[in-house]
Amino acid sequence: EAGVAQSPRYKIIEKRQSVAFWCNPISGHATLYWYQQILGQGPKLLIQFQNNGVVDDSQLPKDRFSAERLKGVDSTLKIQPAKLEDSAVYLCASSRTGAGANVLTFGAGSRLTVL
Amino acid sequence: RKEVEQDPGPFNVPEGATVAFNCTYSNSASQSFFWYRQDCRKEPKLLMSVYSSGNEDGRFTAQLNRASQYISLLIRDSKLSDSATYLCVVNMDNSGYSTLTFGKGTMLLVSP
Repeated sequence: EAGVAQSPRYKIIEKRQSVAFWCNPISGHATLYWYQQILGQGPKLLIQFQNNGVVDDSQLPKDRFSAERLKGVDSTLKIQPAKLEDSAVYLCASSRTGAGANVLTFGAGSRLTVL
Repeated sequence: RKEVEQDPGPFNVPEGATVAFNCTYSNSASQSFFWYRQDCRKEPKLLMSVYSSGNEDGRFTAQLNRASQYISLLIRDSKLSDSATYLCVVNMDNSGYSTLTFGKGTMLLVSP
């Protein structure tokens, strides 16, 4: 099966600019996750969707970050305006529901550098 | 106390050595436990689940101690290709959906 697709792979922007990342999960995976991984740290969950509904966005900085999954398939994560501390890899992952819910398949990530 | 804690390492070991990592978690309601592996500049990938009775997959053995709230990963006969960061992952079922929390990871460097 095709993996989780993400784009762009790399993005360099200046602080206060905006950026958007796109993710297409594995076909049939109802759950989609966006994680932020800062260098030297583990992935931190930003938002979790089940189909097109949000089930957890408690750690999403909502003043600058937004995400949507309008049709329950692909998703976009936006940052506006970006800050220096947003420099990180943004990882998208997907999983099945039920018995397969704990097995996450990650995309290659989108590496953001904010100058 | 952080939800999932790991010693960041790095653990430097020679080929053929046995190495063990521990991970502690703070939420006693946690239900499922996993080890993911992350190679340098790559995405995390599932290494193995951790069952209450302990489980083994080749050179890898995972153990769970619910009373003390820790998980361990043992790697026997280390290979150069085992060099990676090992992420401890804990799942708590929240109102019917899974919430996976990752530790910071433990870096392993296997040298010739």
